[in-house]
Amino acid sequence: AQSVTQLDSQVPVFEEAPVELRCNYSSSVSVYLFWYVQYPNQGLQLLLKYLSGSTLVESINGFEAEFNKSQTSFHLRKPSVHISDTAEYFCAVSAHNNDMRFGAGTRLTVKP
Amino acid sequence: NAGVTQTPKFQVLKTGQSMTLQCAQDMNHNSMYWYRQDPGMGLRLIYYSASEGTTDKGEVPNGYNVSRLNKREFSLRLESAAPSQTSVYFCASSRDTSYGYTFGSGTRLTVV
Repeated sequence: AQSVTQLDSQVPVFEEAPVELRCNYSSSVSVYLFWYVQYPNQGLQLLLKYLSGSTLVESINGFEAEFNKSQTSFHLRKPSVHISDTAEYFCAVSAHNNDMRFGAGTRLTVKP
Repeated sequence: NAGVTQTPKFQVLKTGQSMTLQCAQDMNHNSMYWYRQDPGMGLRLIYYSASEGTTDKGEVPNGYNVSRLNKREFSLRLESAAPSQTSVYFCASSRDTSYGYTFGSGTRLTVV
């Protein structure tokens, strides 16, 4: 089965600084890749996804992620973070079936 | 549009008690899922239902049962609760894996 490793459990960063949240996956077949965001006491919300085609995908709030097949990675980046980006971020992988696997999560804390 | 609705939001059980967590979606999605979220472990799939009338085990099904009552509703039952089942439970639904999942706001369950 596919699996996901998020390399950082916590990432503290100052407001307006750039950030990268790292995600590596493992699968023997082609996959869909996702990033979800979870704000305190809420469910997960889809942030962005890679299905096929262009390896760079973007969200509406300035995040982007790049699919790198050779490195089996799907890192999430934002050039300038805001206080409101403080949340937990989950990388997920699906082998085109109903078994979506999630990473352990990265807690992003943006400090003023 | 409510999306995915879970009840209850909070529950405390004594070891050995039983309970059912309810989930309903109003998006006409075929597939529904139950996950549990534990600190440092991300989300783990308990059971899923690819369509009305079908259910399948996920990664951690032991101690749980599910019922896909109709297309809208997917319930999770704990027959004899154990402290190891203390967790936050999320229900999700999807039209197709490529669209990603829509999550409910979660049920925080404590077993004492």
